[in-house]
This record gives sequence, C-alpha cells and structure tokens, in this order.
Amino acid sequence: GAGVSQSPSNKVTEKGKDVELRCDPISGHTALYWYRQSLGQGLEFLIYFQGNSAPDKSGLPSDRFSAERTGGSVSTLTIQRTQQEDSAVYLCASSHDRVSEAFFGQGTRLTVV
Amino acid sequence: EDQVTQSPEALRLQEGESSSLNCSYTVSGLRGLFWYRQDPGKGPEFLFTLYSAGEEKEKERLKATLTKKESFLHITAPKPEDSATYLCAVERSGSARQLTFGSGTQLTVLP
Repeated sequence: GAGVSQSPSNKVTEKGKDVELRCDPISGHTALYWYRQSLGQGLEFLIYFQGNSAPDKSGLPSDRFSAERTGGSVSTLTIQRTQQEDSAVYLCASSHDRVSEAFFGQGTRLTVV
Repeated sequence: EDQVTQSPEALRLQEGESSSLNCSYTVSGLRGLFWYRQDPGKGPEFLFTLYSAGEEKEKERLKATLTKKESFLHITAPKPEDSATYLCAVERSGSARQLTFGSGTQLTVLP
C-alpha cells in the first residue's frame, strides 16, 4: 500500500476486555515497530520485528501485552484484560530495513472505560 | 538510560518570524537523531535523520543541525501550515532500532 495502515482508527472498550489492534506495513518493509503515545507524553517503544528474527519485546509494559507478525507482513498487537491506564494512541511504523527511517501509520486511539 | 528533552514545550510565532526548536539528548553512542512532524490526530511524519556532529539537512523552510549534545530545528519565515508538534528522537548504536522520543514542541504560527 501507499502507507502504513492501522485499524481500527478508534476503539472504545470496557475495562477487563481484550482488544486487538492491526497494522499493515508498507509493502516490502521488513522492519515493523509498535509505539504508544499517551496524552502529554512522548512516544514509548513497545516492540520491534525485523524479518524472521525473534522480536525485541523489551518495551512491552506487562505480560498483558503481546504482538505477532504473520508472514512477515501484517502485525497484531493484543492487550488482554485492558486497564484504564492502557488508554493511549497506539502507533505502528515500518521501515525498509534496519537502517532506514521509519514511516508511521495514523494510529489507533484506544479508550478503556 | 537514553534521554531526550525538547524545548520549548510550546511556541507561538507570527508568520514570517524565524525561530529555533531545541532537542537535547543523552545517549550512549548515537546512531542517529530523527526529527518528525506530527499533526493532530495523525502519526508522526518523517523529516530528517542526522548521523554525526556538524551535519545539517534542509527541507523547504526547515533546517536541522546536530552537535554532540543537542540538535536544533531552525524554521525560517514560517507559515501557518508549519503549525504542528515537532518531535525529536534518538537511536542508540547497537540497539534494536528503538527510538527514544522527546515530548515534542507544539508550534503555532499565526497569520
């Protein structure tokens, strides 16, 4: 596609429910990243996928968060048993390889009520 | 721990009034410093990557510079469409492409 596509653009969920956020990277990009942007704070790194290598999960805030990337393309970020502090904009980015700049999607705004 | 501090937090300029945004960083071995622009409700848009002290890059009314401790984003004769939040981020050498972002400078250019 022309850019990184994320869905849904907005998600409201009840506390305790599980949510899945989807990211379609730019075609041909081997690297994919998830970041979280909370109100008034900078972007926070969550997880990084590069090709077929094991992902770098060092930024995931708790074991309620997980992500997978199928076929080296689409990625899904799953948050289990959502809490109010999970409310944020979740941004996905992709880059052509390990040394290129990252291009971001428009994000998914998650609100936990 | 890598740290990025941007100042000011917010800046209001009149159209045509040039100014600079600051990004101070602490990182153990800089691989690259990145500038992004973010409009409300959108994801960050890539502007520049700087790799070594003394490097400069320009794009339209924007020029980014880099020293060993900070980067500046100079805006010359800004227009209202330059209004946005400008984000600075650093990547540490040897890291798995993690970017550490600052909190951004919210720029408003008044007509």
